[in-house]
Amino acid sequence: DTAVSQTPKYLVTQMGNDKSIKCEQNLGHDTMYWYKQDSKKFLKIMFSYNNKELIINETVPNRFSPKSPDKAHLNLHINSLELGDSAVYFCASSRPGGSNTGELFFGEGSRLTVL
Amino acid sequence: AQSVAQPEDQVNVAEGNPLTVKCTYSVSGNPYLFWYVQYPNRGLQFLLKYITGDNLVKGSYGFEAEFNKSQTSFHLKKPSALVSDSALYFCAVRVMTTDSWGKLQFGAGTQVVVTP
Repeated sequence: DTAVSQTPKYLVTQMGNDKSIKCEQNLGHDTMYWYKQDSKKFLKIMFSYNNKELIINETVPNRFSPKSPDKAHLNLHINSLELGDSAVYFCASSRPGGSNTGELFFGEGSRLTVL
Repeated sequence: AQSVAQPEDQVNVAEGNPLTVKCTYSVSGNPYLFWYVQYPNRGLQFLLKYITGDNLVKGSYGFEAEFNKSQTSFHLKKPSALVSDSALYFCAVRVMTTDSWGKLQFGAGTQVVVTP
């Protein structure tokens, strides 16, 4: 059973398009995250939701819009894709207060390539 | 600003030799420190953490880390490396946001290459 699953795993698209990445966790966690890993493998948090409420919103262009329909799902929609959006996007989840204990459970990643 | 630094981009070690991956931190207050590992084309996996207590922390896959407050370091160690330990290792620190939610800030990562 996959604990944190993301779809699609690979996404190739043209500049200017709109795309979504979906994430689901079956761990019963309350908190979910989106992280971006760039070509140099640097990881940066983008958003975090706790029980469907947005709690962390880093300095991310407003072309990126997260949505959490319930606490087991966190989706990421990206409008007007740019070349610089090419990266691997990781979804993660944790127990309540999980950022305090540091034990995040990551998905396998969604590799976005913008041409 | 609270951060972690991993001074080595890559560490090369022969199988069976000890492995050390370095991490230093800069935080105000008591640090919450973590190590994660990323295998190729996979997500990150939690290895271990230091929050309080014993300075030597044991984690998954035979790894341990030593918290050193005077040197502001949290180096990851393994007594005898395996080829399967070849991966990208991230040190992380908890950073508190203004509304008391924590977030993890990761170092730049250290690529470990274990040769047979």
